[in-house]
Amino acid sequence: AQRVTQPEKLLSVFKGAPVELKCNYSYSGSPELFWYVQYSRQRLQLLLRHISRESIKGFTADLNKGETSFHLKKPFAQEEDSAMYYCALSGAGGTSYGKLTFGQGTILTVHP
Amino acid sequence: KAGVTQTPRYLIKTRGQQVTLSCSPISGHRSVSWYQQTPGQGLQFLFEYFSETQRNKGNFPGRFSGRQFSNSRSEMNVSTLELGDSALYLCASSLLVAGSTDTQYFGPGTRLTVL
Repeated sequence: AQRVTQPEKLLSVFKGAPVELKCNYSYSGSPELFWYVQYSRQRLQLLLRHISRESIKGFTADLNKGETSFHLKKPFAQEEDSAMYYCALSGAGGTSYGKLTFGQGTILTVHP
Repeated sequence: KAGVTQTPRYLIKTRGQQVTLSCSPISGHRSVSWYQQTPGQGLQFLFEYFSETQRNKGNFPGRFSGRQFSNSRSEMNVSTLELGDSALYLCASSLLVAGSTDTQYFGPGTRLTVL
């Protein structure tokens, strides 16, 4: 079975402060991990994926297979980062076709 | 390219009725996945279609079904609606490049309310 856990439902920081959104996963094989973001009144969209190893909007995430984590980090939060963030996992093989397993999401609020 | 579109955007039905939701993927995308989003359960995978074939199915009762047409458009159907089926139904399309898990692009969702 595959599972994604985001322990924080709500996270509040001030503008300019570092932010870290936690994500832990459970999967017996080699998963692919994603962060999706949903801004107010917008559709769910991909923020980044671990295989790309990119930094998007200043966010980075490193896959730690030992700790089974994929935490999302940004050194200096901006007000426009306020949104709902979902960590998601895709497994391998036939039972994973087209299937993303999502965490419950973390609402990030960046105060001015 | 135009994004994923879903119709209708809002639906109100009563218990026992059935409903059909439609999803048009991004042009060229052949894989369509459906998800149910509720406050209690979050985002849950319903099923995935590729080339008119259901390749994967989540843990939902048989009242939930779907299909895909030759132009990759997809529909999902829920029969004998229950109050608990009230949710936002999202579809997502992906290109499917061999050997990798493709990015899924989501539609705006259909908000279904069952009374």
